[in-house]
Amino acid sequence: SQQGEEDPQALSIQEGENATMNCSYKTSINNLQWYRQNSGRGLVHLILIRSNEREKHSGRLRVTLDTSKKSSSLLITASRAADTASYFCAIQGTYKYIFGTGTRLKVLA
Amino acid sequence: EPEVTQTPSHQVTQMGQEVILRCVPISNHLYFYWYRQILGQKVEFLVSFYNNEISEKSEIFDDQFSVERPDGSNFTLKIRSTKLEDSAMYFCASSEATGRETQYFGPGTRLLVL
Repeated sequence: SQQGEEDPQALSIQEGENATMNCSYKTSINNLQWYRQNSGRGLVHLILIRSNEREKHSGRLRVTLDTSKKSSSLLITASRAADTASYFCAIQGTYKYIFGTGTRLKVLA
Repeated sequence: EPEVTQTPSHQVTQMGQEVILRCVPISNHLYFYWYRQILGQKVEFLVSFYNNEISEKSEIFDDQFSVERPDGSNFTLKIRSTKLEDSAMYFCASSEATGRETQYFGPGTRLLVL
């Protein structure tokens, strides 16, 4: 299975701290995406990182990809209460994404 | 910024009834997808659609499910005879191409089967 698996499953931090979430997968990939989902809402695309890239930044977000270890990490710096959400990695197959189980992040004000 | 839209946002139906979930993908996108998320679980792929044909489908997408692009803008998911276990959030997504492109998701339709 290509399924991404995130860890930790849940993370609770204070506002202003950094949050790191990890994703591991089992097979080779074209790219890997990170999405955010607020409770009961839709999926918001955060960052796409391609298999030939090692790191990407977008604002307070930093994503790394290590294809040798089949893992990716999402770092949110200087977290805010509004960052409270579930974060998913998604492995891209040809026609579909395979989502992991997600990390539930809670940022305490 | 263009976005995927879905209607209705919520639907309640009786077991055995047919439901049609509607999606308007981003206008220049060519590939369309349906996913579902049972409450508290991960997002699961149902089907992908390109050039008026199903490209790939999961084992969840059985004979009770069908997809259609009835006109140039809408993309629909039909569940012929709903079951209790079909209760979930259904997400539509679209992308410009497949394999290496971002899929953009709609806000979802929450389906409750009673």
